[in-house]
Amino acid sequence: QKEVEQNSGPLSVPEGAIASLNCTYSDRGSQSFFWYRQYSGKSPELIMFIYSNGDKEDGRFTAQLNKASQYVSLLIRDSQPSDSATYLCADVGGADGLTFGKGTHLIIQP
Amino acid sequence: SQTIHQWPATLVQPVGSPLSLECTVEGTSNPNLYWYRQAAGRGLQLLFYSVGIGQISSEVPQNLSASRPQDRQFILSSKKLLLSDSGFYLCAWGQGAYEQYFGPGTRLTVT
Repeated sequence: QKEVEQNSGPLSVPEGAIASLNCTYSDRGSQSFFWYRQYSGKSPELIMFIYSNGDKEDGRFTAQLNKASQYVSLLIRDSQPSDSATYLCADVGGADGLTFGKGTHLIIQP
Repeated sequence: SQTIHQWPATLVQPVGSPLSLECTVEGTSNPNLYWYRQAAGRGLQLLFYSVGIGQISSEVPQNLSASRPQDRQFILSSKKLLLSDSGFYLCAWGQGAYEQYFGPGTRLTVT
């Protein structure tokens, strides 16, 4: 059974700095990963998708995948207080759904 | 564009009462549909998924059931709720084996 591990945090980062979020996964055959952001009391929203080794950039967000080490990371540049949320890493498992980590709680301090 | 609806938004039910949560998707056809539960302090747990009308796969044996009577409608039910059924229930849709998009969720409290 697939597993995705994330540090629950909270991870506290000053406004304007780079926030670095990480997750590790158990299935060596996993190819693709998603990052979701979940504000307190709300449903998760998709922010990034990565399927190949290396970096993928979208605005202030950069996702990184290292298949050899089985970890995925999300970097948030120029962190804003509105980035404060829980970030969920998910392993794409096919039609039977995603395997989610428990999420990292990020706090951006003004 | 695609839209996913869930209702009710919040629900308080006594132990032993029945449950029916509904999810509908607009703007797409033949989506994969999913029910997840997020309990306090825990991660997202996949409960059921469906790749078509009448096709339901269960991930976790429990007192919940799901049905898909129409292409874009997904229903989560229980005949008798347990305290442990409390949580945030999320419906999601997706196409193929790729991204999933979540509805606004139903917060269920069983008392």
